Amino acid sequence: AQSVAQPEDQVNVAEGNPLTVKCTYSVSGNPYLFWYVQYPNRGLQFLLKYITGDNLVKGSYGFEAEFNKSQTSFHLKKPSALVSDSALYFCASSGGGSYIPTFGRGTSLIVHP
Amino acid sequence: KAGVTQTPRYLIKTRGQQVTLSCSPISGHRSVSWYQQTPGQGLQFLFEYFSETQRNKGNFPGRFSGRQFSNSRSEMNVSTLELGDSALYLCASRFGPQTPGDTQYFGPGTRLTVL
Repeated sequence: AQSVAQPEDQVNVAEGNPLTVKCTYSVSGNPYLFWYVQYPNRGLQFLLKYITGDNLVKGSYGFEAEFNKSQTSFHLKKPSALVSDSALYFCASSGGGSYIPTFGRGTSLIVHP
Repeated sequence: KAGVTQTPRYLIKTRGQQVTLSCSPISGHRSVSWYQQTPGQGLQFLFEYFSETQRNKGNFPGRFSGRQFSNSRSEMNVSTLELGDSALYLCASRFGPQTPGDTQYFGPGTRLTVL
């Protein structure tokens, strides 16, 4: 069975500072990894995904994520945080025979002015 | 291209009633999945439909059911509502169900409150 862990319930960062939201996965075989963002009272918005190829994936709104196979991680990063980045972030994985993405429990990102 | 739409956006029901939620996928997407989101349990997969057939099912009681129409629109139904069914119900669409790297696109959700 596959699983996704987001070890931090909340991440606090000052505006202008770099941010990292952590995600680790457990998938047999090749993983397919996704990041989504959810603003209050909204659905999930797709940010980026890793299928194969370059370990550094660039996505929407200046976000990027680094796939690390040896550490089974797929951390979300942004060089300079904005207050408007404050939201709930979900990591998801599929693969290993499963076509249904498994979601982490989400990390609340708070960017302070 | 229009995104995934869900109706209604908000619903208030009482225990024992039943409810039907509707989802229209992105044009060209034939797979529709439903998720329940609660603060305590996070995002939980309910079921996925493709070509009017349920292809995958999560671990929910039989009170939760769904269907898909020939135009790929989907509905989910919850019968005999319980207080614990209060949640945000999210619909997501993608091209097909058998490609694990295919991106799901989510609708805005239906907020169901059971009193």
